[in-house]
Amino acid sequence: GENVEQHPSTLSVQEGDSAVIKCTYSDSASNYFPWYKQELGKRPQLIIDIRSNVGEKKDQRIAVTLNKTAKHFSLHITETQPEDSAVYFCAASYPGNQFYFGTGTSLTVIP
Amino acid sequence: ETGVTQTPRHLVMGMTNKKSLKCEQHLGHNAMYWYKQSAKKPLELMFVYNFKEQTENNSVPSRFSPECPNSSHLFLHLHTLQPEDSALYLCASSQERFYTDTQYFGPGTRLTVL
Repeated sequence: GENVEQHPSTLSVQEGDSAVIKCTYSDSASNYFPWYKQELGKRPQLIIDIRSNVGEKKDQRIAVTLNKTAKHFSLHITETQPEDSAVYFCAASYPGNQFYFGTGTSLTVIP
Repeated sequence: ETGVTQTPRHLVMGMTNKKSLKCEQHLGHNAMYWYKQSAKKPLELMFVYNFKEQTENNSVPSRFSPECPNSSHLFLHLHTLQPEDSALYLCASSQERFYTDTQYFGPGTRLTVL
């Protein structure tokens, strides 16, 4: 089955700096890659996703890039704010297959 | 946010107790999922229901018993659990089984087994 690895496990950045979280996957059939944000004590929520027919997708301060050849995708958060502090999860799947999640990255934005 | 609700939010039980977790979705979805979230581990898929039929059981011990009476409700019945079963149990729903689109999660039930 699919194996998703996520790095780093913890990340601290100064407010205003950028944060980058990277995931690698093993199954070349995977073609859907969502990112979830989970604030302390709250539910995971989808913040951005990308499909394999595109290489990059942006939504305001958040962007995701995908390199299918290397089988990795990354989450980029620019101009970080304290409210960005949370655990971020990546996942990989393809139609009919379950989501395989990364182990999560705990992001702390220091004011 | 009321799309997917879970009760109770917190549960403490002894190893000999029987309890049930409840999940309800108001999104008109056809697929519902139970996940286990433990510290430092990826989300673990436990069960999947599609149109009320169980389609996946990821080698989950029989002390966990799911029930899906209709597409909007999902239960997880717990019986003679072990301390290592302590975790956050998340329910999720999506339009269809493993549809590569958004999975909507509930807030979770924090379970502690003494």
